[in-house]
Amino acid sequence: DTAVSQTPKYLVTQMGNDKSIKCEQNLGHDTMYWYKQDSKKFLKIMFSYNNKELIINETVPNRFSPKSPDKAHLNLHINSLELGDSAVYFCASSPRNTFANTGELFFGEGSRLTVL
Amino acid sequence: LAKTTQPISMDSYEGQEVNITCSHNNIATNDYITWYQQFPSQGPRFIIQGYKTKVTNEVASLFIPADRKSSTLSLPRVSLSDTAVYYCLVGGSGSARQLTFGSGTQLTVLP
Repeated sequence: DTAVSQTPKYLVTQMGNDKSIKCEQNLGHDTMYWYKQDSKKFLKIMFSYNNKELIINETVPNRFSPKSPDKAHLNLHINSLELGDSAVYFCASSPRNTFANTGELFFGEGSRLTVL
Repeated sequence: LAKTTQPISMDSYEGQEVNITCSHNNIATNDYITWYQQFPSQGPRFIIQGYKTKVTNEVASLFIPADRKSSTLSLPRVSLSDTAVYYCLVGGSGSARQLTFGSGTQLTVLP
């Protein structure tokens, strides 16, 4: 079983559309994250949830809305997609709140979003 | 905020030892140093973590000098499959931005 799984792996859509990416982890971790990786390979943190509670929200447009129905799932919904949203989005989890205590991050395989 | 600086790219040959250095001049007392490896079309994977001196596991060693302003990831006897991007991450003091990875070091292992 994949520890951190994301769907879909690829997503091609038009500007202005709304799309969602789903993430699930079966590691029993308390904390989950969304990262965005641009063409220059920078991996920038977007959001973090600890036990369904939002703990990190880094300067991300409010068109991006994370939702955590339970601590094993963290979904990312994006409204009114723009060309600049094209990137690879990675979900990750960690056994504890890495915000305060650096620990190991477990990443999914990424979801490549292309906005046309 | 401990910003990290790494070489953009490195080339090596199979069987050689590779050392990748990361500079983090503003590292805080509570910060740990963590290295990740990323292959194309995959998420980063944890390699090793340390606080000071030397840490070794089955895949790599991490050397951290006494002032902790830099760290060196050492990969013994690399193979073609070690071609990847390697990231240094410094954090633990409570800033969310510490969880943002830099551009990493592209290691290319040649036959």
